[in-house]
Amino acid sequence: EIVLTQSPGSLSSSPGERVTLFCRASQSVSSNYLAWYQQKPGQAPRLLIYGPSNRVTGIPDRFSGSGSGTEFTLTISRLAPEDSAVYYCQQYGDTQWTFGQGTKVEIK
Amino acid sequence: EVQLVESGGGLLQPGGSLKVSCAASGFTFSTYGMSWVRQAPGKGPEWVAFVSNSGSTTHYADSMRGRVTISRDNGKGSLSLQMNSLRPEDTALYYCVRTWRENTFDMWGVGTMVTVSS
Repeated sequence: EIVLTQSPGSLSSSPGERVTLFCRASQSVSSNYLAWYQQKPGQAPRLLIYGPSNRVTGIPDRFSGSGSGTEFTLTISRLAPEDSAVYYCQQYGDTQWTFGQGTKVEIK
Repeated sequence: EVQLVESGGGLLQPGGSLKVSCAASGFTFSTYGMSWVRQAPGKGPEWVAFVSNSGSTTHYADSMRGRVTISRDNGKGSLSLQMNSLRPEDTALYYCVRTWRENTFDMWGVGTMVTVSS
């Protein structure tokens, strides 16, 4: 099973700032099979990015994903108040799906 | 509008069994693989099981293999998860999830809560 480790565990930034979230895999992930989700309190996770740089329709272009192998990033270029949430990376490999433990993003 | 509506959650004792279900609407159910993903209180999501669009292929998380069975009825647009030998650590919100391209989860229900406690 591939273990995904996200960092930092939490961060706090001001509106308009650029933030980068990291996701490290315990072994190489096929780039096509790495995705990012946003979860707000009381809601189900929402798919943001897949493959690992394709935005889902309707997701603002301030969200972008990149990476390959074992290192992946989610960048929010201009943080907005509504971006306050927990973000999870997720991978698929060898008939198993796993999630990272999440990064909590707080807006100052 | 795509809708996934789970049902069947509840409170049960360790060692018990439970079947949770999901009613799908708003899309062609038979063309999508489907999964169950759970989330324990205050924790991240954890994938539990997958079934292919035809129902012919299933995959299970190691943590639950042998204790759960996923199934679907394409004629009724329904998905089920039979869970046996439940443990307190199985306490979680169980989501019905549509499996999309590149094996992502693009549509989620609101979840049904399963609590295992003596």
